[in-house]
Amino acid sequence: DGGITQSPKYLFRKEGQNVTLSCEQNLNHDAMYWYRQDPGQGLRLIYYSQIVNDFQKGDIAEGYSVSREKKESFPLTVTSAQKNPTAFYLCASSTNSQGGYVPNEKLFFGSGTQLSVL
Amino acid sequence: AQKVTQAQTEISVVEKEDVTLDCVYETRDTTYYLFWYKQPPSGELVFLIRRNSFDEQNEISGRYSWNFQKSTSSFNFTITASQVVDSAVYFCALRRCTNAGKSTFGDGTTLTVKP
Repeated sequence: DGGITQSPKYLFRKEGQNVTLSCEQNLNHDAMYWYRQDPGQGLRLIYYSQIVNDFQKGDIAEGYSVSREKKESFPLTVTSAQKNPTAFYLCASSTNSQGGYVPNEKLFFGSGTQLSVL
Repeated sequence: AQKVTQAQTEISVVEKEDVTLDCVYETRDTTYYLFWYKQPPSGELVFLIRRNSFDEQNEISGRYSWNFQKSTSSFNFTITASQVVDSAVYFCALRRCTNAGKSTFGDGTTLTVKP
């Protein structure tokens, strides 16, 4: 079955450490996204990529970095510069990478990674 | 700037009751998409519906129905005869047609359906 796989499900970060969250999709989608979810809040966009080897900052990119070397993969690194990294991280993908109207366009989500600080 | 407001933080109902989740949005765009997503305890958001701004037809899908009112910038979601399995966090989201991917989400409404 096609879908999005995020790993690990739970991740712990030590002070000053960088950690990388994995996101893999086999839906053949061009666009991929990373969202952060804090308790009682909606999703906030960290980074997004519309095509391989290209990505843009979202609303809360500081302290994070991404890469898009392959269409199916969009890893997120939480750097030591992110002072409050504890959150639930969701990866998503969609067919629409260029904006405009696309029939049946929607976001497909992974099951998320819960990141906590030790 | 875009904004989505879900004023109801938490709702609790007894099974078989009807429940409406409110969503009010703000945008300067004339064309946009509106979405509802469900987030069960497992964490993965599941797409429920998409509505285009130029299509104000209301929709019913089984026990779910959606009322889109462009005049009041609202896109409310009603569950008829609620069931325990409907317990989840529900998110309303808005996306511009001209800016791929940058959906704006509301803070979500936690629905608890008690047996």
